[in-house]
Amino acid sequence: EAAVTQSPRNKVAVTGGKVTLSCNQTNNHNNMYWYRQDTGHGLRLIHYSYGAGSTEKGDIPDGYKASRPSQENFSLILELATPSQTSVYFCASCGGYEQYFGPGTRLTVL
Amino acid sequence: QQKVQQSPESLTVSEGAMASLNCTFSDGTSNNFRWYRQHSAKGLEVLVSIFSDGEKEEGRFTAHLNRANLHVSLHIREPQPSDSAVYLCAVSVNSNNRIFFGDGTQLVVKP
Repeated sequence: EAAVTQSPRNKVAVTGGKVTLSCNQTNNHNNMYWYRQDTGHGLRLIHYSYGAGSTEKGDIPDGYKASRPSQENFSLILELATPSQTSVYFCASCGGYEQYFGPGTRLTVL
Repeated sequence: QQKVQQSPESLTVSEGAMASLNCTFSDGTSNNFRWYRQHSAKGLEVLVSIFSDGEKEEGRFTAHLNRANLHVSLHIREPQPSDSAVYLCAVSVNSNNRIFFGDGTQLVVKP
């Protein structure tokens, strides 16, 4: 069964600290995406990837880096976390007409 | 860049009455549309996927797509209080391109 998993599911970080959010998909999809969702808003695209080794900037990439070391894994990296990055983060994989989302990671930066 | 707008921002209906949600998009070449339901900032539950003009029904949920009018809607038949959630419209040009989301409609179903 197609699946996208995220880890951790919840994270509390300190301002200035480094945070890595991980995403794994077993769908063999080429495209993967990282979104954030804030209260009262839809999902906004941070970074995406067309395959292993590729990363592209989305609409709100500032303060975030991405890494796609393999087909299955796509990470979102906050080198210097700030309170404004407190949000819920969703990962997704897409291939053909399929779109699958992970369960989300709730990040709080204090 | 694709713009996706949903209306209304919030909607309250009584249990059993039809609920209708709207979504407009700006790129007429879009051909991949989904409606998601999200309970209290939890995960996304796909309700209906539609890829061509017309109607697509999945249980009590029906999507209508009219690409000439840049419009896709969701109709919920006999809504229940458990349907109270945020409904998100997602649009992409093709299945492998970026997915653009609207800001959502908050639906409240009163018993």
